[in-house]
Amino acid sequence: QVQLVESGGGLVKPGGSLRLSCAASGFTFSDFYMTWIRQAPGKGLEWISYITYSGTEMSYADSVKDRFSISRDNAKNSIYLQMNSLRAEDTAIYYCARHRRELTRGDWLDSWGPGTLVTVSS
Amino acid sequence: DIQMTQSPSSLSASVGDRVTITCRASQSISRFLNWYQVKPGKAPKLLIYAASILQNGVPSRFSGSGSGTDFTLTITSLQSEDFASYYCLQTYNNLWTFGQGTKVE
Repeated sequence: QVQLVESGGGLVKPGGSLRLSCAASGFTFSDFYMTWIRQAPGKGLEWISYITYSGTEMSYADSVKDRFSISRDNAKNSIYLQMNSLRAEDTAIYYCARHRRELTRGDWLDSWGPGTLVTVSS
Repeated sequence: DIQMTQSPSSLSASVGDRVTITCRASQSISRFLNWYQVKPGKAPKLLIYAASILQNGVPSRFSGSGSGTDFTLTITSLQSEDFASYYCLQTYNNLWTFGQGTKVE
């Protein structure tokens, strides 16, 4: 059974940093891309970043590029999101998701964690 | 960046109703379009991928259609557990974008 569990959320001051983790189990972790998505209070879903199987390639939304960094450790079945220069508008629930990719069908997120709340406030 | 325009932003429906939600892309995205269901306090759930493929375990009352720029999610007979928010997601390039969401209430 696929399981994803995020951790590391909390309250941080504007300009501060936070590192989120996502622990995966129930599947061969290194066979899948992984993705971070967030949802601000009362707002819609926003794609943040994804990382390839081995962690050699990443992609970022413009809103977080140059401030956030995604990484993975296949030995620990985990991905991470290093968030720097945090702003009030980064306040959100952050989800990690398993990312499936097929040449003809594209990409989709078939399993999600319950999320971790990040609050950026002074 | 590819913009996704989802409509309506909310709709009022009753159990048994047929519900249709649309997403329009600012450029052709072939069939690289997913649909997700979001309920408060719960992890989002994949419903449809590649525009029309039903995810395993999702009831057959959900269906997706479209290609290019125009896509539709249809719920043929709304059930009580379907009251939720729904989002489309384009995965055509490496900068993904969600639609603004539709709340079904």
